[in-house]
Formats: sequence, structure tokens, C-alpha cells
Amino acid sequence: NAGVTQTPKFRVLKTGQSMTLLCAQDMNHEYMYWYRQDPGMGLRLIHYSVGEGTTAKGEVPDGYNVSRLKKQNFLLGLESAAPSQTSVYFCASRRTGGGNTGELFFGEGSRLTVL
Amino acid sequence: GQSLEQPSEVTAVEGAIVQINCTYQTSGFYGLSWYQQHDGGAPTFLSYNALDGLEETGRFSSFLSRSDSYGYLLLQELQMKDSASYFCAVRRNTDKLIFGTGTRLQVFP
Repeated sequence: NAGVTQTPKFRVLKTGQSMTLLCAQDMNHEYMYWYRQDPGMGLRLIHYSVGEGTTAKGEVPDGYNVSRLKKQNFLLGLESAAPSQTSVYFCASRRTGGGNTGELFFGEGSRLTVL
Repeated sequence: GQSLEQPSEVTAVEGAIVQINCTYQTSGFYGLSWYQQHDGGAPTFLSYNALDGLEETGRFSSFLSRSDSYGYLLLQELQMKDSASYFCAVRRNTDKLIFGTGTRLQVFP
């Protein structure tokens, strides 16, 4: 009964390093999202996916790339990390279909610090 | 563009009722959701309104007026555990879910 799992939960990077955050969901959800959360800024949408093999830009996509090669996984990549990308990253998923509320199921978050 | 506005902070005492307002400006509006987030935790879903009116779920109710681009979350019989941040979020027809900046609720004994 895992739901949405994010790895790693904590990471410290140096400026210019690259890394990938992994999000995995076991609920067979079609849609998956990556958000970042900064103090006083709420949750801002980075990228999202409406199904395997698809990705789309959100509100703040610059500096990030994503891939959805398998339905259950959504990867967020930082090619060259910058201090401005220090944040808490949340992955979320939701099902599709009639009558659904659009409820997002969130992972526990990944805290990234870029020095 | 799109924007959501909600108060940054609200305080109340245990047992009281509090209302958190949310006004939005967006195209392709589908519905308004509310999420709760405790410090250090992940957001969790509270309610969703697609049509005008009031939705009630236990101590929490949510209201939407599409013509006014306005909604609110009503919390009754406040408990200490309700101290958290509350986010309204607009669901758009592009499948995006855009969040407001959040309202921090502090409940005092």
C-alpha cells in the first residue's frame, strides 16, 4: 500500500552537478506531476504527464527535464543544478475517469539543497 | 494568465469556526480543490467543488461561486490538530492543477 514514493528524500548538490529525482506510484494512475515548494510561494507546477510517453510544461519548467518511460514512474532531472533550485520537490499522481475529483495523491517530498 | 489569492495567515481558538477565502483568475476553469499540509508533511486532499454551492465533509465544508470566481473553506469545531497550511487549487481543462500560496492556520487553546 505504498501510494506515491519519492527517492531520494534528501540530497545536497554542488552548483553545476546533475541529479534525478524518481517518483513511483502503484495506483495505476494516468496523470503524474512534479511540484516545487518554497516558503511563501505555495506549490508551483514544474512539469506533468498525462500518460506513459507524454510530458508537458508547467509554470516553472526551466532548468528541469522529465521523462515518463513507464506508467508508474515519473523522473525529474536537473542537468546543471543552481542554488535557485534549492527547494522541496513533491511528486503527485491522480486517476482519470468520470466523476473523479481530480484529487492528487502526493509523495512525502524530496528536500534538495544546492550549494 | 492565472492567479489565486488567499490570506497568508488566519488565527482562531479551539472550538471556533474559521473561513479561508480564495479568489481566482484563470481560463478553462474546471473546479476548485482544497488541500491541507502540516509542517514537514505532504499536502492531503480535503474537498473539491466543480459546481456552485456548498460541499460538506464532516467538520469541513467548501463553497464555490463560479460567477464570482470565489470559493472558501469552512472549518468548524476547530481542534489543535487543524493547525496547518491550507491551499486552494484550480483544476484547469489542460489537466494542470495550479495552487495558491497557502493560508497558515494557527489554532490556540
